[in-house]
Amino acid sequence: SQQGEEDPQALSIQEGENATMNCSYKTSINNLQWYRQNSGRGLVHLILIRSNEREKHSGRLRVTLDTSKKSSSLLITASRAADTASYFCAFSYGNNRLAFGKGNQVVVIP
Amino acid sequence: DAGVIQSPRHEVTEMGQEVTLRCKPISGHNSLFWYRQTMMRGLELLIYFNNNVPIDDSGMPEDRFSAKMPNASFSTLKIQPSEPRDSAVYFCASSTGFISPLHFGNGTRLTVT
Repeated sequence: SQQGEEDPQALSIQEGENATMNCSYKTSINNLQWYRQNSGRGLVHLILIRSNEREKHSGRLRVTLDTSKKSSSLLITASRAADTASYFCAFSYGNNRLAFGKGNQVVVIP
Repeated sequence: DAGVIQSPRHEVTEMGQEVTLRCKPISGHNSLFWYRQTMMRGLELLIYFNNNVPIDDSGMPEDRFSAKMPNASFSTLKIQPSEPRDSAVYFCASSTGFISPLHFGNGTRLTVT
């Protein structure tokens, strides 16, 4: 299976703390994307990092990509209660293939 | 921009009945995807259209599932006959290309009793 794997799969933190989650994959990729899903809603795209990039920032989000280790991390700084959601990595590989991980549930306690 | 619109939001039906899920992608997006989400299997790609043409339907579980995209602004996913194991949330997503970010609808929660 080309499905990605997030780690940890569940995370509970206090508001204001940083949240870090990792994603691993098994194949060469074109790019890696992170999505957020709030309960009962569709996934929302957060950030995309290309295979030739190592780090990318967007607001309070920081994504790193290590293609040698086939892994990526998503850091949310100064977390807020509104960041409570499930976070998915998705990687584009091969010819028009996109695979999602199983998701990482983050709970930010006010 | 209204986003990707899916209908219905919830569908409850009895085993054996036909179910039709509908999707209106974002105007100007030429790629459309149907996904199924369950706790056990996560997000599974069912089928992918590019310029209204099905490109990859290898994720369609069985012949009971079919999808159409008659024009750039409408797609349907049909299950006939439905079975309890089809119960899941079905998402439609669109994008400007396969490696571009996907825009998801809010899904259809299907319950087959």
